[in-house]
Amino acid sequence: DAKTTQPPSMDCAEGRAANLPCNHSTISGNEYVYWYRQIHSQGPQYIIHGLKNNETNEMASLIITEDRKSSTLILPHATLRDTAVYYCIVRGGSQGNLIFGKGTKLSVKP
Amino acid sequence: ETGVTQTPRHLVMGMTNKKSLKCEQHLGHNAMYWYKQSAKKPLELMFVYSLEERVENNSVPSRFSPECPNSSHLFLHLHTLQPEDSALYLCASSQEGTWAADTQYFGPGTRLTVL
Repeated sequence: DAKTTQPPSMDCAEGRAANLPCNHSTISGNEYVYWYRQIHSQGPQYIIHGLKNNETNEMASLIITEDRKSSTLILPHATLRDTAVYYCIVRGGSQGNLIFGKGTKLSVKP
Repeated sequence: ETGVTQTPRHLVMGMTNKKSLKCEQHLGHNAMYWYKQSAKKPLELMFVYSLEERVENNSVPSRFSPECPNSSHLFLHLHTLQPEDSALYLCASSQEGTWAADTQYFGPGTRLTVL
C-alpha cells in the first residue's frame, strides 16, 4: 500500500513557482522521501530526495517539515515542459523498493 | 550513449510470438529492475537483479522471463503473452549502497501491444 497522499491534480501558471504537497504521516526514522516525475508515456525521471534536511538541486527544492510527516516539492519557475505526473515516494527500512502511487498531475498553463 | 537505454521503443506482437526486450545501462550501476505500467495504473515492480542475481520476483507469470547476463544488460523474454499484457515496460538501474538511498534511474520504456 502507498504510504503517501498527494492531490490528484494541480494547475500552475508558467513562470510561477509550483508547490506540490505530499503527506507521509507514517514515515519512520530511516525512510527517505523521493520525488520522481513522469511525462506522458516516458520513463520516470528522478528529481530529488531527502531524509530530514531541506534539499535543493538544479531541478527543484524539497522542503520536509520538522516532524517529517509532510513535504513539499518546489519547482521555482515552472515551464510548460514541467507538465507531468509527480510522484512522492517514501522508501527505506525493510522495504527498499520504489512503490509508485497515483501521483499529482501538474498542468503548467501559459 | 548515456543513462539507461531500451530497445525496441515500440513492439507489436501476436499471442504466439516470442520476443525480447533489451535494456542497457551506461551508469556503472550494479542493480537493474523491470517495471510494468498498464494504462491508468501505477508502476508495478516485476523483477530486481542485484550483482546479476535475481533477488526479487513479484509473482510475475512465467510467460515473462528475465535475464541479466552482466551488470550492464537486462533482458525480458516474452512468450505466449495475452492482450492484457499490453503496457509500457520500464527498465531502471541503481548503484546499491546505502539501502534506502540508492536512486533508481529509468529508461524511456518499451510500449508493448499484444494482439
